[in-house]
Amino acid sequence: GAVVSQHPSRVICKSGTSVKIECRSLDFQATTMFWYRQFPKQSLMLMATSNEGSKATYEQGVEKDKFLINHASLTLSTLTVTSAHPEDSSFYICSARNGYTFGSGTRLTVV
Amino acid sequence: AQKITQTQPGMFVQEKEAVTLDCTYDTSDQSYGLFWYKQPSSGEMIFLIYQGSYDEQNATEGRYSLNFQKARKSANLVISASQLGDSAMYFCAMREAAYSGAGSYQLTFGKGTKLSVIP
Repeated sequence: GAVVSQHPSRVICKSGTSVKIECRSLDFQATTMFWYRQFPKQSLMLMATSNEGSKATYEQGVEKDKFLINHASLTLSTLTVTSAHPEDSSFYICSARNGYTFGSGTRLTVV
Repeated sequence: AQKITQTQPGMFVQEKEAVTLDCTYDTSDQSYGLFWYKQPSSGEMIFLIYQGSYDEQNATEGRYSLNFQKARKSANLVISASQLGDSAMYFCAMREAAYSGAGSYQLTFGKGTKLSVIP
């Protein structure tokens, strides 16, 4: 039980385009989801906290206009990377249930 | 501010042997939780074991045990009888609040240890 489905698992996009990443809780309701970013050979860093029905809170240094988060329902949170650039290439992963459950991650490559 | 330190960038262990991965933490909170995760090359984060700051006994989950020494602020992961499938990155993480209840708490991660199991 307690599965978070994250899609896509891998995406390659052209510089300047936008990419949407979805995290869906399959068998529980997630009022909060955390979005982390992991650069190669580095640790996970919190980007933002997604709250159902309200605005997301962003960590210092994360551009909220670039990384749009929507948490419109208790089972779905989305992260949209707008106007992506090569420096946004990274591994993005969501988490719910206060650390017990992670999505499978999305490897974004911007070319 | 919370901080997690993993001082071993890489570790090798012989198959079927036990291995200890080190984790020290720094916090001024009395209530906190400590996690260990396994991250294989696929990238998924697999929850292994959890220890709350108020838990008096060390947590165990199958071949995984957490050596919790509160006074020393350490939470080392012990993997017994290593298997080839244990080769992966291992992350230690801390959460504010030992018992989350209805609250939502982010995690602070260490830099990880890459474990390689040798046949």
